[in-house]
Amino acid sequence: DAGVIQSPRHEVTEMGQEVTLRCKPISGHNSLFWYRQTMMRGLELLIYFNNNVPIDDSGMPEDRFSAKMPNASFSTLKIQPSEPRDSAVYFCASTLADLSTDTQYFGPGTRLTVL
Amino acid sequence: AQKITQTQPGMFVQEKEAVTLDCTYDTSDPSYGLFWYKQPSSGEMIFLIYQGSYDQQNATEGRYSLNFQKARKSANLVISASQLGDSAMYFCAYMDTGRRALTFGSGTRLQVQP
Repeated sequence: DAGVIQSPRHEVTEMGQEVTLRCKPISGHNSLFWYRQTMMRGLELLIYFNNNVPIDDSGMPEDRFSAKMPNASFSTLKIQPSEPRDSAVYFCASTLADLSTDTQYFGPGTRLTVL
Repeated sequence: AQKITQTQPGMFVQEKEAVTLDCTYDTSDPSYGLFWYKQPSSGEMIFLIYQGSYDQQNATEGRYSLNFQKARKSANLVISASQLGDSAMYFCAYMDTGRRALTFGSGTRLQVQP
């Protein structure tokens, strides 16, 4: 079975450029989460979707960040314009909510470097 | 807001010995879940074990077990018979059944020595 798929795995861009990160959740999962990992702040939630609807975007840093989930098998996280402080590893995770455990399975992450 | 604390930035253990990684949490919610994830140097996040707040027994998954002490609000991970491949960062995470997103601790770096 395919796990959560993220692309690209690595992205290097210059300040001011638009960056789009992509995620394909595990087939059949109905909840999708975007997390960011930095040395300073650790792992923190950015946004999560349930049945393609954004439920909690309280972790989205500012208006430069936006996320969409047009269908059950695809989500994007966009940063426009990017800044050096956005450099981090961005993880996508998915789960089949409504089960007793709600275990989230993570993708391999996208390592973003903004110069 | 829920808070989750891992007080051990780093731990060393000899191969084949058992090790306990500490995790405490602070919540007033009656229903919640606790998770442990492993992050090796390659960077992926690997789910290890789950404990629900209403579970009567401590969770076990192979060499991993969770020492759940609800009154003390602790959920320590016990790894038995450590292997070199267990060297990694370990994260404890909290989820309340309302919000469903994970709140992570700061992690413990475990190094298994031969």
